[in-house]
Amino acid sequence: EIVMTQSPATLSVSPGERATLSCRASQSVSSNLAWHQQKPGQAPRLLIYGASTRATGIPARFSGSGSATEFTLTISSLQSEDFAVYYCQQYKNWPLTFGGGTKVEIK
Amino acid sequence: QVQLQESGPGLVKPSQTLSLTCTVSGASISSGSYYWSWIRQPAGKELEYIGRAHTSGSTRYNPSLRSRVTMSVDTSKNQFSLNLTSVTAADTAVYYCVREGDNDSRLDPWGQGTPVTVSS
Repeated sequence: EIVMTQSPATLSVSPGERATLSCRASQSVSSNLAWHQQKPGQAPRLLIYGASTRATGIPARFSGSGSATEFTLTISSLQSEDFAVYYCQQYKNWPLTFGGGTKVEIK
Repeated sequence: QVQLQESGPGLVKPSQTLSLTCTVSGASISSGSYYWSWIRQPAGKELEYIGRAHTSGSTRYNPSLRSRVTMSVDTSKNQFSLNLTSVTAADTAVYYCVREGDNDSRLDPWGQGTPVTVSS
């Protein structure tokens, strides 16, 4: 199965600053990459699919980029509601697999 | 707006069968082109994809759990279900039901999740 590796494990950012999260796949997933956000005590929520397409209702400050094995999620100006754990997920190969997550915390 | 809600026992004894149901509201489970999927998350660990079922009856399971998993869809009740047999403490997790696109595997939306503990 494809192994997804996220870095860093924890990212400390001040409100209003930019956050850049990385995700690496153990083999090419083309653009079959999604990002999900999970807040404490809540279910994950789809942010990005197709590596760069925002899901319905997701603010423009969230953007995804990359292809093949290297991907990035950028939050251009962190809002208080953005402090959460972010997971990348590939759907190129079966089974679908997730990264270990990056926790974005308040600096 | 489509919503998913899991239900089932929060405590299961070792070696028994874990059974969960997901109720879909806001849309017919038969409409559109979707799979109906289950994902779990042990405390402090990664999300693990369990598998998916379609209203056509087709199913596909994660090889790591294939021998113990059964999923089905009940269109008359607008529900889908998960059965996991011979459970152990390693199956303790929060279980999520999720709608999955059948041409892009988009996982959206997710249910709130239900915690299941395996313990005697």
